[in-house]
Amino acid sequence: DADVTQTPRNRITKTGKRIMLECSQTKGHDRMYWYRQDPGLGLQLIYYSFDVKDINKGEISDGYSVSRQAQAKFSLSLESAIPNQTALYFCATSGRPGQGPPGLETVRQFFGPGTRLTVL
Amino acid sequence: KNEVEQSPQNLTAQEGEFITINCSYSVGISALHWLQQHPGGGIVSLFMLSSGKKKHGRLIATINIQEKHSSLHITASHPRDSAVYICAATQGAQKLVFGQGTRLTINP
Repeated sequence: DADVTQTPRNRITKTGKRIMLECSQTKGHDRMYWYRQDPGLGLQLIYYSFDVKDINKGEISDGYSVSRQAQAKFSLSLESAIPNQTALYFCATSGRPGQGPPGLETVRQFFGPGTRLTVL
Repeated sequence: KNEVEQSPQNLTAQEGEFITINCSYSVGISALHWLQQHPGGGIVSLFMLSSGKKKHGRLIATINIQEKHSSLHITASHPRDSAVYICAATQGAQKLVFGQGTRLTINP
């Protein structure tokens, strides 16, 4: 079974609709991230959370909100979707320094399979 | 100018060729990541390094901290290596800054 899962995998919606993308992980990691990928561009960080009570804005948080319901769950919401939010969305997780194996491997990020969102 | 720059953006080669993808960064980093994105979209972490060189099978990653440069090499390339390869730099508290990716196509 996948360690990081995202639902839905594909979604087509209309302008103005509220959309929620969900991410779950079984890795026991404290840290979770939401990224957006547009064709020809690098991934951009939307929001990140270092634990259940810690939520931080990334580079492109406008138009998005998040909820960290539990250590294992991190949801991304588009309150009123617009066409330029059409993109591939990735969730990722990582441990915190001192959690798990020593050294760099602790902070390796593990990505979910992605959600392809189309806003018409 | 992006903080993480990759070259080339696109690379097509014949099976068996030695492949090099370059990554330059302009910020202080704690680690440099190489990721592989398959045609289906999934992203896999290949390497994470802060100095020197790492090898896994036919893949080799190197980093020169002084020159702020990293390279990903693929030896004896194969069509199944066709993917987008992404360089990313960890700044500060684990935030990743990504390059735009290099699309690699290996023809049989």
